[in-house]
Amino acid sequence: AQSVSQHNHHVILSEAASLELGCNYSYGGTVNLFWYVQYPGQHLQLLLKYFSGDPLVKGIKGFEAEFIKSKFSFNLRKPSVQWSDTAEYFCAVNAGYGGATNKLIFGTGTLLAVQP
Amino acid sequence: SAVISQKPSRDICQRGTSLTIQCQVDSQVTMMFWYRQQPRQSLTLIATANQGSEATYESGFVIDKFPISRPNLTFSTLTVSNMSPEDSSIYLCSVELGNTIYFGEGSWLTVV
Repeated sequence: AQSVSQHNHHVILSEAASLELGCNYSYGGTVNLFWYVQYPGQHLQLLLKYFSGDPLVKGIKGFEAEFIKSKFSFNLRKPSVQWSDTAEYFCAVNAGYGGATNKLIFGTGTLLAVQP
Repeated sequence: SAVISQKPSRDICQRGTSLTIQCQVDSQVTMMFWYRQQPRQSLTLIATANQGSEATYESGFVIDKFPISRPNLTFSTLTVSNMSPEDSSIYLCSVELGNTIYFGEGSWLTVV
């Protein structure tokens, strides 16, 4: 069965620090990969997604993620975080077929706190 | 994008009772999904709800406990039946639109 691991459960950074959140998945076939963000009191929002092509994916709010197939990883990065990036971040992998995106398997989430 | 509204946003329920959560989306969608996010855990897919057919449940979830309706392309309900404290969770409705999954704000249920 597919699974997703997020190694950092809680990250505390100062503003302007660089961010990298780890995500590894277990599945040998074709995958679609996602990062979602949940700001305090808000619903899950899509940050970025990877289906195919350039393994370096750029998303909203300055986030990017790199798909490294050999490492089964899809780490999220941002060069300089802001206080407004304080949120919980979820990595997800599709469990669909033929590239379908409908059934997502989520990691346990990483709670990011950015100190001003 | 899709705008998804869920009701109720939160509720406190007595054990043994049932609660129905409503999900309304502003676009017609083929597939709607129900997820559960238990405290300090990740999201887990409960079932997929297609209009005009029975919902498809994931391992560990059964129709008797989580009956789902999908009467049209913009609406679905999830009922949490015979609730116990272990059912305390956030229940999220989601839809697929343009190869992207969108989520509602969730319904936060506490069972006492």
